[in-house]
Amino acid sequence: AQSVTQLDSQVPVFEEAPVELRCNYSSSVSVYLFWYVQYPNQGLQLLLKYLSGSTLVKGINGFEAEFNKSQTSFHLRKPSVHISDTAEYFCAVSDRRGNTDKLIFGTGTRLQVFP
Amino acid sequence: DAGVTQSPTHLIKTRGQQVTLRCSPKSGHDTVSWYQQALGQGPQFIFQYYEEEERQRGNFPDRFSGHQFPNYSSELNVNALWLGDSALYLCASSLGAVGYEQYFGPGTRLTVT
Repeated sequence: AQSVTQLDSQVPVFEEAPVELRCNYSSSVSVYLFWYVQYPNQGLQLLLKYLSGSTLVKGINGFEAEFNKSQTSFHLRKPSVHISDTAEYFCAVSDRRGNTDKLIFGTGTRLQVFP
Repeated sequence: DAGVTQSPTHLIKTRGQQVTLRCSPKSGHDTVSWYQQALGQGPQFIFQYYEEEERQRGNFPDRFSGHQFPNYSSELNVNALWLGDSALYLCASSLGAVGYEQYFGPGTRLTVT
C-alpha cells in the first residue's frame, strides 16, 4: 500500500524568507502526488499536483514542488512566504485499487510565518 | 460555479446516537469520497461512491455507511456513535473514480459527548 511521510510536524519561518516542506512517498510503478493546504476551520484546498511530465510543478500562491523519483520525494517550496501562508499543509498520494483512486495523506506540517 | 458543499457545519451528538452528514459535489462531478480528519491528523479515507455504488472502503467499521443519490449527492451515516468518532468529516468530489483530482468541501465538525 502507498504511504506518505511528512518529515516536519512544524516549520517556523519569518516573513519573506524561503521555506521547504518535506514529503516522502513509498515507491510505486506510477504515482500521482498532491499538496493541499488547510486554513483554520476550513476544508482542504489543492495547491498543486504531479501526474506526469515535468518534475517541477508550479501551483497557486507562488508554491512549487519537485518530483524526485530516485529519492521518492515531493518537497514543497516557496521563495518568499507571507503571513497569510500560515496554515496546515498536507502531502498526499493517490492509491489506485482496481477502478478507484483514494488519497492517502501525510500527518501534515504546520507552517507558522512570523512578522 | 458552486463548489463542494456540506451540511451541517457543526453537529453535537451523544454517545450511542446516530448521525447523517450530507454532501453535494461540485457541478459536473459524479464521484464522492468521504474522509475523517481527527484533531491534529491528516484525513483518513472512509469510502468512495461512484454510480450510486460503494467502490472502495477504508479501514472503518460497518457503523459507517453511505449512500449516493441519482443527482450524485451523498450521505454519510454513522451509527452507535463513539467518543472517538469526534472529528472533521470531509467530502471530496471528482469527475470519475480514477485519475482525477479531488475537490474538498469545508467539512462537518462532529462532536460526540
